[in-house]
Amino acid sequence: QVQLVQSGAEVRKTGASVKTSCKASGYTFTSYYMHWVRQAPGQGLEWMGVINPNTGSISYAQKLQGRVSMTRDTSTSTVYMELSRLRSEDTAIYYCARSLETGIGTTPFDYWGQGTLVTVSS
Amino acid sequence: EIVLTQSPGTLSLSPGERATLSCRASQSVSSRFLAWYHQKPGQAPRLLIYGTSSRATGIPVRFSGSGSGTDFTLTISRLEPEDFAVYYCQQYGTSPLTFGRGTRLDIK
Repeated sequence: QVQLVQSGAEVRKTGASVKTSCKASGYTFTSYYMHWVRQAPGQGLEWMGVINPNTGSISYAQKLQGRVSMTRDTSTSTVYMELSRLRSEDTAIYYCARSLETGIGTTPFDYWGQGTLVTVSS
Repeated sequence: EIVLTQSPGTLSLSPGERATLSCRASQSVSSRFLAWYHQKPGQAPRLLIYGTSSRATGIPVRFSGSGSGTDFTLTISRLEPEDFAVYYCQQYGTSPLTFGRGTRLDIK
């Protein structure tokens, strides 16, 4: 069965960076785009960007351009999201989420990781 | 970016009642690219409806979606206890992909 297992909670100081992971299993990793979505405490959902695990091509939300980086390791079926120059408003649960359909990014998300809580404090 | 406005913010209903949730877009969204999710406390969102009206795998027939252009609706025909959650609409046709701010469906 499809599973997305994310790394554990992180605590960082303002200005630092954090890198979280999402390990996929149960399907062909390179066939489905992977998105990152975050959710601040008690708030709604914010799309951060998407990576094509096959080619490595990426599209980021403009709001996060320059601070976010998404990569993948096809040998371990893992995608990574790194966020730099952290601010208190980056405190959130970070989810990876798989595209519903193969080969394209403009689909909804059918499988989600359990989320990684990132806490940023001064 | 396409802003999605959901209404009402909170909806209080009883099990067995019908729920109607609205999602209005700031510009036209192709019906191919509108989805609905719900999220329960402590859990990740779950896909309910995509392409405006297609149910995702395993979603009961009491969930239905409709709409076009800038106005979309999620209907739950007869509420079950497990349906009380926060509901989000999403457009995924134009970058950045965006979500509405959610409708909280509470037990009355």
